[in-house]
Amino acid sequence: AQSVTQLGSHVSVSEGALVLLRCNYSSSVPPYLFWYVQYPNQGLQLLLKYTSAATLVKGINGFEAEFKKSETSFHLTKPSAHMSDAAEYFCAVSTNTGGFKTIFGAGTRLFVKA
Amino acid sequence: EAGVAQSPRYKIIEKRQSVAFWCNPISGHATLYWYQQILGQGPKLLIQFQNNGVVDDSQLPKDRFSAERLKGVDSTLKIQPAKLEDSAVYLCASSSTDGEETQYFGPGTRLLVL
Repeated sequence: AQSVTQLGSHVSVSEGALVLLRCNYSSSVPPYLFWYVQYPNQGLQLLLKYTSAATLVKGINGFEAEFKKSETSFHLTKPSAHMSDAAEYFCAVSTNTGGFKTIFGAGTRLFVKA
Repeated sequence: EAGVAQSPRYKIIEKRQSVAFWCNPISGHATLYWYQQILGQGPKLLIQFQNNGVVDDSQLPKDRFSAERLKGVDSTLKIQPAKLEDSAVYLCASSSTDGEETQYFGPGTRLLVL
């Protein structure tokens, strides 16, 4: 069975600082991996996805993530945080085991301090 | 391109009452998902449709929850009777194919059961 673990329910950074949100997954078959962002009172929006092509994936708003199979990780980074990045971020894994199934992590809330 | 539409946006009911949510996916998207997002948690899949057939409803509490997608387009999710623990945001999402493809989310319906 697949699973997703996001380390840290809350992360706080200063504006301009590096953003690092951690995601580890468990899967018995090659996974597809996603990062979604959720702003208050809105649905989830895709930031980026890994689908077995390049291991370094670039997304919207300056975010990127690197798929590391040996570490079963898919951490999300952004070199310089902006106030508008404050939101909740969800990592998700999707696998095809007799039909695709997607599991979401519990989420990490990012706070950006001025 | 119009996004995923959901209504109502907010609903307050008393326990043991019934409630229904509506979702209209992006035009042409074959796969439709209903998620339950409890405060502080990631979305949990309740049911997944491929056109008008059910692909996965393993986590749907079938004694009180029901969903249908007649004609393979829009969908309704019903709770009858509601319990206090059903208080959550109900998210609808759609995708053009399942798994690898991006899921597009609606704004959600926030349900409060008193």
